[in-house]
Amino acid sequence: EAGVAQSPRYKIIEKRQSVAFWCNPISGHATLYWYQQILGQGPKLLIQFQNNGVVDDSQLPKDRFSAERLKGVDSTLKIQPAKLEDSAVYLCASSLDQVEQYFGPGTRLTVT
Amino acid sequence: AQSVTQLDSQVPVFEEAPVELRCNYSSSVSVYLFWYVQYPNQGLQLLLKYLSGSTLVESINGFEAEFNKSQTSFHLRKPSVHISDTAEYFCAGGKLIFGQGTELSVKP
Repeated sequence: EAGVAQSPRYKIIEKRQSVAFWCNPISGHATLYWYQQILGQGPKLLIQFQNNGVVDDSQLPKDRFSAERLKGVDSTLKIQPAKLEDSAVYLCASSLDQVEQYFGPGTRLTVT
Repeated sequence: AQSVTQLDSQVPVFEEAPVELRCNYSSSVSVYLFWYVQYPNQGLQLLLKYLSGSTLVESINGFEAEFNKSQTSFHLRKPSVHISDTAEYFCAGGKLIFGQGTELSVKP
């Protein structure tokens, strides 16, 4: 069984630029999550999708972050414009039962 | 507010020694509890989980954790660690709340 795929693995941008991350969940997993993991901290949930609908986006900074999952499969997370404090690893996870999550390898973003 | 607290940011230990990584959760966290492990440059992997039933849960690689409702704890233990256990360990609970992580460093 293929795991959660994410791309790119690494990205370096300057502040005020925009960036997008892509995630392809495990086949059949209806629930998809995006997390932000700042160095030295645990992951923080940004947004949770159930199929193509948003379940929870209470911690998503909506003035600069957006996410979509148009066909209920893969998802894109975008930051526009980026700030220095957005430097982090962005993790995507998927779940079949909304209990056990399977994580991708993450995208490491550096904003200079 | 819901919270999960890992009491140690770093735990250095010698190979074959026992180890305990401590995790406390707030009583407002619904009682689904997890331990995840993160090896360098990799994503998080589920180590073990407590959903209901027996309060002692075990992983396939020798780790165990005990759900203690009265102490609101879910500490992770292993009686004898190996070099390959060196990693970051995250406790998580309830509605996707993660602790800050504990870096386990096993030295020869």
